[in-house]
Amino acid sequence: DADVTQTPRNRITKTGKRIMLECSQTKGHDRMYWYRQDPGLGLRLIYYSFDVKDINKGEISDGYSVSRQAQAKFSLSLESAIPNQTALYFCATSDPPRYEQYFGPGTRLTVT
Amino acid sequence: DQQVKQNSPSLSVQEGRISILNCDYTNSMFDYFLWYKKYPAEGPTFLISISSIKDKNEDGRFTVFLNKSAKHLSLHIVPSQPGDSAVYFCAAVAGNNRKLIWGLGTSLAVNP
Repeated sequence: DADVTQTPRNRITKTGKRIMLECSQTKGHDRMYWYRQDPGLGLRLIYYSFDVKDINKGEISDGYSVSRQAQAKFSLSLESAIPNQTALYFCATSDPPRYEQYFGPGTRLTVT
Repeated sequence: DQQVKQNSPSLSVQEGRISILNCDYTNSMFDYFLWYKKYPAEGPTFLISISSIKDKNEDGRFTVFLNKSAKHLSLHIVPSQPGDSAVYFCAAVAGNNRKLIWGLGTSLAVNP
């Protein structure tokens, strides 16, 4: 079974719609992250959470919000989706003091 | 401004030969580096890492070399196998929050 799961795996939505991407992990890690990947732009950090009560903005948080419902769950919301939010979204976890992050399989989001 | 640079978008090598993937960084405060491999439709997976107190780390067919004076690291894969065909990302650990700063990736094709 996958340690980090993301739902949905693919989603097509219309401009202006609210959408939530969900991430769950069974690794027992405290830290969780949301990234987006765009062609030619690599991985960019949207939000990260060091524990349930600690949520921080990443480099591209505008237009996004997150919720850390439990140690194992970290959701990303697009309140009003726009076409330039079309991207591949990844959730990741880590377990300090180690730096390695463990990624989910990704969600491909298309906003039309 | 890209702080972690992978200047070769793609690389093609013959099966059995050595693959060398390069990464340059601009911030001398980076003190830990990681390499990830990514297959299509999957999340990145951790491959190997190196601390700035070392100049080499080896794990099976994978070796990472760090040249701090040149702010350069490289990943060597010997011998290369077709299953190594993937996108390889270099990342550096940065800041007090120890976030990962990512390069844009190099697509490696290993030809049989």
